[in-house]
Amino acid sequence: GAGVSQSPSNKVTEKGKDVELRCDPISGHTALYWYRQSLGQGLEFLIYFQGNSAPDKSGLPSDRFSAERTGGSVSTLTIQRTQQEDSAVYLCASSSETGGPGNTIYFGEGSWLTVV
Amino acid sequence: GQNIDQPTEMTATEGAIVQINCTYQTSGFNGLFWYQQHAGEAPTFLSYNVLDGLEEKGRFSSFLSRSKGYSYLLLKELQMKDSASYLCAVDNDYKLSFGAGTTVTVRA
Repeated sequence: GAGVSQSPSNKVTEKGKDVELRCDPISGHTALYWYRQSLGQGLEFLIYFQGNSAPDKSGLPSDRFSAERTGGSVSTLTIQRTQQEDSAVYLCASSSETGGPGNTIYFGEGSWLTVV
Repeated sequence: GQNIDQPTEMTATEGAIVQINCTYQTSGFNGLFWYQQHAGEAPTFLSYNVLDGLEEKGRFSSFLSRSKGYSYLLLKELQMKDSASYLCAVDNDYKLSFGAGTTVTVRA
């Protein structure tokens, strides 16, 4: 697609429920990132996918968080047993290369998650 | 670990110049990015520096000193639409580590 597409754009869920957030990266981009941004805070790295390599999961805050990338394209971020502190904007981004100027990453509009 | 520091807020007058500083201490360095983020929107790319010196792009310029772990973003001829958060990000191998962002408010 023309840009990074994320869905849902807004999600309100009850504490303890599971949620799935979807990201469709820019066509042809091999690298895909998930970041989290809490209100008034900077971007927190969650997970990184590059081609067929094993993903870098070092930023996932707990084992309730997981992510998959199927067919090297669409990615799903799953949060199990949501907690109120999970409320944030979840931003997906993609890039065509790793490192250097080609590593300009392009962000989607984000999925705004509110856990009540 | 990664440590990227930038001021929380800055205020300037329309038509003026503002300089946003960023200092960093990271385990790796493949370049430094500046992103602009308007409230409620996704960050958008502004600039990239990998070598020391100044990169100019219209009203926006970005400077890098790798030996000092320092960068700045210079916004000239400020316009009301420049009111936004400006994020400094270090390319650490393959992932970007972001600062908390500097909120710039432009007043008439």
